[in-house]
Amino acid sequence: GENVEQHPSTLSVQEGDSAVIKCTYSDSASNYFPWYKQELGKRPQLIIDIRSNVGEKKDQRIAVTLNKTAKHFSLHITETQPEDSAVYFCAARPQGGKLIFGQGTELSVKP
Amino acid sequence: EPEVTQTPSHQVTQMGQEVILRCVPISNHLYFYWYRQILGQKVEFLVSFYNNEISEKSEIFDDQFSVERPDGSNFTLKIRSTKLEDSAMYFCASSAGGPSDTQYFGPGTRLTVL
Repeated sequence: GENVEQHPSTLSVQEGDSAVIKCTYSDSASNYFPWYKQELGKRPQLIIDIRSNVGEKKDQRIAVTLNKTAKHFSLHITETQPEDSAVYFCAARPQGGKLIFGQGTELSVKP
Repeated sequence: EPEVTQTPSHQVTQMGQEVILRCVPISNHLYFYWYRQILGQKVEFLVSFYNNEISEKSEIFDDQFSVERPDGSNFTLKIRSTKLEDSAMYFCASSAGGPSDTQYFGPGTRLTVL
């Protein structure tokens, strides 16, 4: 069935370092891949997304790459700051509108 | 900036009771979704809704669940007879132009079933 695997489950970095979170998806028909940031007790907030006709997208310190052949996509955060600490979820959208989420990565940025 | 809103923020109920969770999607959005997140776990899709009918539902969305758009602004999720395992955060989301559009999430309703 439709599934999204996300790694690592926890990630601790020093302020200023880069952080990379990786996801793989099972349904080759998936065409949209958003990333959400969720702070404790709050709603998931979209931070960046990529569609299947694009291989890479960047927005300031955040970038996402997509490898459709490998069914793999990644989130890259450069120059991390303490306020980047949160749980990050990747998601994939197979046919239709629903999003299939990964298990989440708890990112901790230490000052 | 318009946001999805949800009420209540926290609902405590006894097992077997009915609950209704309410959502007000962004005003010009046409596609509506419910997701749930059990504490410490990932967000799971429950149901999608368009043009006053269910577009898709997951295995979680059994006969105990129903959704409704009773008027032009509200979108509700009803759980008829709550179970302990229904305890979770329930998120409503909406998107504008279709399934390909970005989904914006509400702040969630934390449901606690005792």
